Amino acid sequence: NAGVTQTPKFQVLKTGQSMTLQCAQDMNHEYMSWYRQDPGMGLRLIHYSVGAGITDQGEVPNGYNVSRSTTEDFPLRLLSAAPSQTSVYFCASSSGSAANEKLFFGSGTQLSVL
Amino acid sequence: AQTVTQSQPEMSVQEAETVTLSCTYDTSESDYYLFWYKQPPSRQMILVIRQEAYKQQNATENRFSVNFQKAAKSFSLKISDSQLGDAAMYFCALSTSGTYKYIFGTGTRLKVLA
Repeated sequence: NAGVTQTPKFQVLKTGQSMTLQCAQDMNHEYMSWYRQDPGMGLRLIHYSVGAGITDQGEVPNGYNVSRSTTEDFPLRLLSAAPSQTSVYFCASSSGSAANEKLFFGSGTQLSVL
Repeated sequence: AQTVTQSQPEMSVQEAETVTLSCTYDTSESDYYLFWYKQPPSRQMILVIRQEAYKQQNATENRFSVNFQKAAKSFSLKISDSQLGDAAMYFCALSTSGTYKYIFGTGTRLKVLA
């Protein structure tokens, strides 16, 4: 049971470069989301999706783009990387079932933008 | 706006002793969930315990229990018989039913002393 698979685990970018963080889940979860974790700030929601074809912005969406063409995949795109985007990124999913609501997390991506 | 506050950036506990991590939250919703997540050095986010707001009984999971004070909007985590493996960052989180958005606190780093 793979759960939430997130790649890559580590990435170094130069300012201005673009890249895509991949996220896939095999639990048939409707809800998927991306968070960034910064020291002293906890986890902050970037974008989320409540189903294929439906996405919305979270607390810190600027500089990031998402799409959800399938239930399984929810990639996060950095359009033009900036040093302020140096962070640890987590993808997470949830079934949305009231009886068992909880987030399942990927293993995280450590991103450094030079 | 919903908020989650963890006022203890760092805590220490002696092995085999008991420690309580504090969390306060604010929401105008009546149907919500509260969570404690553990993040060890591996970076993986692990669900420790979950509480539904409508349940008056405090949740327990082995050595982990919560003190849920709904009127005071307080949700503390008690770890009994602390073990070296409990050393980690602990995040308190709030989710409102049906929104699938999670709000995280800034975390408490727990050190366990041998």
